[in-house]
Amino acid sequence: SQQGEEDPQALSIQEGENATMNCSYKTSINNLQWYRQNSGRGLVHLILIRSNEREKHSGRLRVTLDTSKKSSSLLITASRAADTASYFCATDAGWDYKLSFGAGTTVTVRA
Amino acid sequence: GAVVSQHPSWVICKSGTSVKIECRSLDFQATTMFWYRQFPKQSLMLMATSNEGSKATYEQGVEKDKFLINHASLTLSTLTVTSAHPEDSSFYICSARGSGRAGETQYFGPGTRLLVL
Repeated sequence: SQQGEEDPQALSIQEGENATMNCSYKTSINNLQWYRQNSGRGLVHLILIRSNEREKHSGRLRVTLDTSKKSSSLLITASRAADTASYFCATDAGWDYKLSFGAGTTVTVRA
Repeated sequence: GAVVSQHPSWVICKSGTSVKIECRSLDFQATTMFWYRQFPKQSLMLMATSNEGSKATYEQGVEKDKFLINHASLTLSTLTVTSAHPEDSSFYICSARGSGRAGETQYFGPGTRLLVL
């Protein structure tokens, strides 16, 4: 079942700009993960942030987690055309490692 | 990172036939594999969880006799769509996780696009 909601649904930015997308969820979680999906392909794991963490960085990616608001954000800095993809948040809330995916944000980076 | 493969990447079949999709973890042993279905421009919906050597656990609304899952080894799980119909046309994606804390992350295969005519 899906528990995450993402906004915006779609985002179009110029190369070099930053892209920010948000994810909200409903239940308490063990961790929250962000994935990227290029059109018609599988998912690529970007970052995992645990419930006791507030911020994580990986290259040009920055993820924040606010468990009091049940929300997370993904920031992509200095975007490139290759960042064009759909981005999904997924929450791990149980003992069985099942992931519940948000609806996704489609990011288009214009050259 | 860990690599998961799927085969085939594309399959077109006639209505009524069965289709088998393989999911392999190439460089790690997968304690658990998951099967998802994705419709165009939509998110992933979990279909079932597959643990090596035991029966798969299906999500509510997923017909276990329709979607047969076998997880015969720590590196291979298969999904068989039996008596496929046009409404089964979709993008099927598997994922795999290892054990311990490394198992928090699921690694996804490239997906299999099924078209049933």
